[in-house]
Amino acid sequence: GAVVSQHPSRVICKSGTSVKIECRSLDFQATTMFWYRQFPKQSLMLMATSNEGSKATYEQGVEKDKFLINHASLTLSTLTVTSAHPEDSSFYICSALGQGRNEQFFGPGTRLTVL
Amino acid sequence: KQEVTQIPAALSVPEGENLVLNCSFTDSAIYNLQWFRQDPGKGLTSLLLIQSSQREQTSGRLNASLDKSSGRSTLYIAASQPGDSATYLCAVPPSNQAGTALIFGKGTTLSVSS
Repeated sequence: GAVVSQHPSRVICKSGTSVKIECRSLDFQATTMFWYRQFPKQSLMLMATSNEGSKATYEQGVEKDKFLINHASLTLSTLTVTSAHPEDSSFYICSALGQGRNEQFFGPGTRLTVL
Repeated sequence: KQEVTQIPAALSVPEGENLVLNCSFTDSAIYNLQWFRQDPGKGLTSLLLIQSSQREQTSGRLNASLDKSSGRSTLYIAASQPGDSATYLCAVPPSNQAGTALIFGKGTTLSVSS
């Protein structure tokens, strides 16, 4: 089956620092990747849609200058949380969609804790 | 705007019981519906994907049904085991299109005791 990895799996940082999270499709090319955020005991909420070679599309209420997304290749998308604050602490999950597929494959998630 | 609701929010059963998890969605024009499992602090594991033209899908002890007209899906788990303890999420695309993000319910947290 299709495998999606995320790195790091867990990160703790100080307030004001920037954190980069990588999402990779390991055995298929992902034309589209999605970034979700999940707060404790809540469901996953879409943050942005990332298409290879173009600018990401952000959901309403998600600051594009704070959550920088780069999808430079068909197997890698990165999410950078700039100037992180404690309220950005959350579980970030990416998913990838291959060409011609209608099923998303999810990464294992990244737990971000901002002190 | 598509909304997904899952009932119950939590469920505790003894080992061996058969159980049903419910999912409802407000816009019946969906492309497909997917059930996931999430263990605490972990990512999502896809369990079953039902296309809009299908009525059900089966995988092992799991059976998912889809009734588009009524906006409902059920996940049936037969002979539950302690290893089935997890949160089960239902998700649909926001419209009748492939290749879009998913809208998730809040999940049903299942606890199976031995």
